[in-house]
Amino acid sequence: DVKVTQSSRYLVKRTGEKVFLECVQDMDHENMFWYRQDPGLGLRLIYFSYDVKMKEKGDIPEGYSVSREKKERFSLILESASTNQTSMYLCASSVLSGANVLTFGAGSRLTVL
Amino acid sequence: GQNIDQPTEMTATEGAIVQINCTYQTSGFNGLFWYQQHAGEAPTFLSYNVLDGLEEKGRFSSFLSRSKGYSYLLLKELQMKDSASYLCAVNGGYQKVTFGTGTKLQVIP
Repeated sequence: DVKVTQSSRYLVKRTGEKVFLECVQDMDHENMFWYRQDPGLGLRLIYFSYDVKMKEKGDIPEGYSVSREKKERFSLILESASTNQTSMYLCASSVLSGANVLTFGAGSRLTVL
Repeated sequence: GQNIDQPTEMTATEGAIVQINCTYQTSGFNGLFWYQQHAGEAPTFLSYNVLDGLEEKGRFSSFLSRSKGYSYLLLKELQMKDSASYLCAVNGGYQKVTFGTGTKLQVIP
């Protein structure tokens, strides 16, 4: 089975801190994605990547950056965390060809105080 | 742009059939997905439609009409464990998948 692992299940950070959310997948998937999920707003795409060192903006990239130095790892970076970035962050991966079915990690619940 | 609409909440009785609708307006279309998400858990893949028609998979079926920008997920013989949120999502091309806000289904005895 494809496994997508997010490094932290719960994080609490202070406003202005730099935050790293790590995601690793073990099935050699080309595509990796970061979403945030908020009540009433659903899942919104922040960034995605279809190859090492490649990145594409999603629908809400402001305040975030990403890094993909290795195929299996996709990091989400909040340069200066703000309270409106308190959310559930979900990482996903998929193969480049075919239907693009996403496999999700368990999520990282970030609280910014 | 992308716009995906689905009802916010639905309630159905154990053993019954429920249909969850999804309408979409997207700038590109390369397939429509349904995902299930239990509270506190990650979404899991249920179905994928890229051509018009009905896809059946056990108790779950999904229908697509591309000309109408419409899909539905049909759940038969409802069980208590089907209580979850059901997410409609569209692959708009270039690997970008956009989700609706989800439909929270409550199954009652």
